[in-house]
Amino acid sequence: HLQESGPGLVKPSETLSLTCSVSGGSINNSSSYWGWIRQSPEKGLEWMGSIWRGGTTYYNPSLKSRILISVDTSKNQLSLKLSPVTAADTAVYYCATLNRLYDPLTGYPTFYMDVWAKGTTVTVSS
Amino acid sequence: EIVLTQSPGTLSLSPGERAALSCRASQSVSSNYLAWYQHKPGQAPRLLIYGASSRATGIPDRFSGSGSGTDFTLTINRLEPEDFGVYYCQQYGRSPGTFGQGTKVEIK
Repeated sequence: HLQESGPGLVKPSETLSLTCSVSGGSINNSSSYWGWIRQSPEKGLEWMGSIWRGGTTYYNPSLKSRILISVDTSKNQLSLKLSPVTAADTAVYYCATLNRLYDPLTGYPTFYMDVWAKGTTVTVSS
Repeated sequence: EIVLTQSPGTLSLSPGERAALSCRASQSVSSNYLAWYQHKPGQAPRLLIYGASSRATGIPDRFSGSGSGTDFTLTINRLEPEDFGVYYCQQYGRSPGTFGQGTKVEIK
C-alpha cells in the first residue's frame, strides 16, 4: 500500500516536497523500483523519475535540473522535491512501484507502473 | 519523445457490449513495450496490460491487449458496470516513457 502526503498549496519559486509512505512491505527488501508520476490538464500524465532502493535515480530530462527523488529505508518512505515551481507544476502527483526494462536503442532504463497510489493534488499559487 | 494518440476520446456503451480502444504511436514502439491502465475517479490507477498483450496479476480475461509497431488496441469484452472509467496507454520502449491522453468509457 502506498500513500502520498504533503502540502496541497505551494508558492511560485518555492520547493514542492512530497512523501510516499510504503506499508505492507519494505523498500529495503523490494526488488522494485519506485517512482513519481504527475497528471495535469495541460500535459496529461508524465513520468517524473524513478529510484532503486540503493539510491540510483533516473529522471525525465524535462525535469532533470529541478527534481530530486530519494528513499529513506529507515522510515520506509519515498520522497520528491521539485524546485523552483511555477503554475505549470500544478498537478495530481502519484507515487508508484515500477518495473524496469531497457530502451533497446539507448540502453537507458525505462519503466512501466505496477502499483499506484491514489494521488495528491498540489496547486502552485501565491 | 514518442507521442501516443488515443481514440476515441469518449466511448459510450452499455453493459455487456464490447469496447475497442485504440492507441497509435508517432513512431514504432520498441519490443512492443506498451502498457494500458484503468483509472476510476477517487481511485488509484490500475495496471491492466503490459508488453502490449500480457495481463497484469488479477486482471479478468475480458480485458485483452493486441497490436505491434505503432498501432495497439485494448479490447474489453462483455463490459461490466465496474469497467467504466478512463483508460490510458503508455509506451516504455523509448525513454522517457510517455502516455496517451486517455479514452473515457462511459455508460450509455
